[in-house]
Amino acid sequence: RKEVEQDPGPFNVPEGATVAFNCTYSNSASQSFFWYRQDCRKEPKLLMSVYSSGNEDGRFTAQLNRASQYISLLIRDSKLSDSAIYLCVVNIANSGNTPLVFGKGTRLSVIA
Amino acid sequence: DAGVTQSPTHLIKTRGQQVTLRCSPKSGHDTVSWYQQALGQGPQFIFQYYEEEERQRGNFPDRFSGHQFPNYSSELNVNALLLGDSALYLCASSLGERQWSTEAFFGQGTRLTVV
Repeated sequence: RKEVEQDPGPFNVPEGATVAFNCTYSNSASQSFFWYRQDCRKEPKLLMSVYSSGNEDGRFTAQLNRASQYISLLIRDSKLSDSAIYLCVVNIANSGNTPLVFGKGTRLSVIA
Repeated sequence: DAGVTQSPTHLIKTRGQQVTLRCSPKSGHDTVSWYQQALGQGPQFIFQYYEEEERQRGNFPDRFSGHQFPNYSSELNVNALLLGDSALYLCASSLGERQWSTEAFFGQGTRLTVV
C-alpha cells in the first residue's frame, strides 16, 4: 500500500464549481499534514497546513480525520487560476528534520 | 530575502556520466532535503542534510550522494547516470530543530534529462 494515496484525476470543473479532493495515508504515526500546489513544470508550494479541527483559508477548506487516516481539500468558487496539481503531504513528526511524504497529486483543470 | 535557489535549472547528460546539482537554502534555514520527482509522480525523498551530515536517507542507491557546506548550501551528486534518473530534482530547506513548524520551502528545481 502506498504511504499517501490520492486520486490522480484529472478533475475537469467549470469556473465557480466546488470541488473536493481526498487523500489517505498509511502511517498512523503521522503528525503533520499539508496540501501543496504545483503548477506545470514548477516547484511545489505550500497551499495550507491541515489541522485536526479543520481549517479554512478563503475559498479553501482542509479537513483531517485521524481515525480514518484521511485528509480532504475543498475548493469553493473555482477560478481558472486554481488549475494545478494538488499534492497531499504528510510528515511523521512536527519538526523540520523529518522528510515529507508526498502523494502523486491530483490534477485539477478549471474550465471557462 | 532570497528563497531557495538551485542550479542549474536544466541539464542534459549521457548515460554513465556523473552530475552535480547545487542548492542554497532560504536565509536562516539550516536543513536541506533533496527530492526526486519523476514525470507524473509526487516528489520522492532522497536524503536530508543537517549540520553538514546526512541525517536521513530515502530508498535511493549509493549512486546518489550529497554534501552540505558550513554555509548550509548543499550538493547532490549522482554517479553512473541511468535513463531512469531523468527527473526534476527539488531542494527543500527548513529549520531542522524547530518544533511545530515543518514548512519546507522548495527551490525551482533542476530538470535533469539523461540520454
